[in-house]
Amino acid sequence: ELKVEQNPLFLSMQEGKNYTIYCNYSTTSDRLYWYRQDPGKSLESLFVLLSNGAVKQEGRLMASLDTKARLSTLHITAAVHDLSATYFCAVDSEVNYGGSQGNLIFGKGTKLSVKP
Amino acid sequence: NAGVTQTPKFRILKIGQSMTLQCTQDMNHNYMYWYRQDPGMGLKLIYYSVGAGITDKGEVPNGYNVSRSTTEDFPLRLELAAPSQTSVYFCASSWTAYNEQFFGPGTRLTVL
Repeated sequence: ELKVEQNPLFLSMQEGKNYTIYCNYSTTSDRLYWYRQDPGKSLESLFVLLSNGAVKQEGRLMASLDTKARLSTLHITAAVHDLSATYFCAVDSEVNYGGSQGNLIFGKGTKLSVKP
Repeated sequence: NAGVTQTPKFRILKIGQSMTLQCTQDMNHNYMYWYRQDPGMGLKLIYYSVGAGITDKGEVPNGYNVSRSTTEDFPLRLELAAPSQTSVYFCASSWTAYNEQFFGPGTRLTVL
């Protein structure tokens, strides 16, 4: 059974600092997604990582995927208050379903709070 | 494009009642999904569909049913509501199995 673990689950940062959120998963998959959720809102897609070594960057966020280590990272550079949200990683559970149907297993999320 | 729309936004049900959560997308996506999100947790897949007329179970299908008669619509039916079904329900769609999923605004359901 595919398990997805994020850490930390809570992160309080000061503006201007850098930090990394980690997403580990338990079985083989080469498709990983990062989403952002603001309080009381829906999920917004941030990154789609579809192969080993994939790296994507958007503004102050950069995501990478190491399928051999079963690890993805979301790196935050020079954090600003607007980045405060909950960040989820999700892994394609193709192993469970014998071929991808886009069925995602989500981590519990990392709640990020950026303070002045 | 409206994207993915869901109705209702909020609903309170009594134990044993039934209801249908509506989901519509206007992006001509083949793949559609229903998730539930419990407080402090990630999303769990309830049912999914890879095209009109084709549906299948996800991680947590018990107590729910779906149908997909058109590309646009993917309603989720709750039969005999139970307090354990109190949750926020999100519908999502994607063009292929590998593309990002677009999420609707969610339906907050409380069963008392």
